[in-house]
Amino acid sequence: DTGVSQDPRHKITKRGQNVTFRCDPISEHNRLYWYRQTLGQGPEFLTYFQNEAQLEKSRLLSDRFSAERPKGSFSTLEIQRTEQGDSAMYLCASSLSSGRAGSEQYFGPGTRLTVT
Amino acid sequence: EDKVVQSPLSLVVHEGDTVTLNCSYEVTNFRSLLWYKQEKKAPTFLFMLTSSGIEKKSGRLSSILDKKELFSILNITATQTGDSAVYLCAPRDLQGGSEKLVFGKGTKLTVNP
Repeated sequence: DTGVSQDPRHKITKRGQNVTFRCDPISEHNRLYWYRQTLGQGPEFLTYFQNEAQLEKSRLLSDRFSAERPKGSFSTLEIQRTEQGDSAMYLCASSLSSGRAGSEQYFGPGTRLTVT
Repeated sequence: EDKVVQSPLSLVVHEGDTVTLNCSYEVTNFRSLLWYKQEKKAPTFLFMLTSSGIEKKSGRLSSILDKKELFSILNITATQTGDSAVYLCAPRDLQGGSEKLVFGKGTKLTVNP
């Protein structure tokens, strides 16, 4: 399978614990995005990498959230001191820089986080 | 602030019906608009629209963009139960340089046999 993969698929954690998610994009894609989706809503943008550089962060991304893409390949998203409001599906997407209109973003299966 | 409104939010039809899903948008620096289908998993890509008035087609699905009036529609003809899903509209916003997608809440389509 050469699509976007994410690990773990499900994570249950207690409030106050730290969690880390991993995303492996499509291998030749240089752009990587993290989105968050809650029930009944569309995905909301969190942050964006071009190669290893984190170029944009949403104001939704509090200082408890940090993301890295150290070698321009896989990415990690860490949430420190989790809160119940962090419960959501965390989606990763990747794309290839392509022309003025951009190119389609391909999504991974997501990591569903439940904070108890 | 970017805004995407999809209508209807929910739609129930019978197999064989034709449906039209609507998407109106306001984004700061628009470049293109994407449609995705989401079943109980990640969104899967359907179409990317960049120019007004040019219809994109894939089988029973088609979509068109109106950049002057800031809306797009997705048509599905001869619906099947496998079309049951949430359909998401996402204009691409270039502000900030990320080309991030701004999603609406989606239209939940249920196709009954």
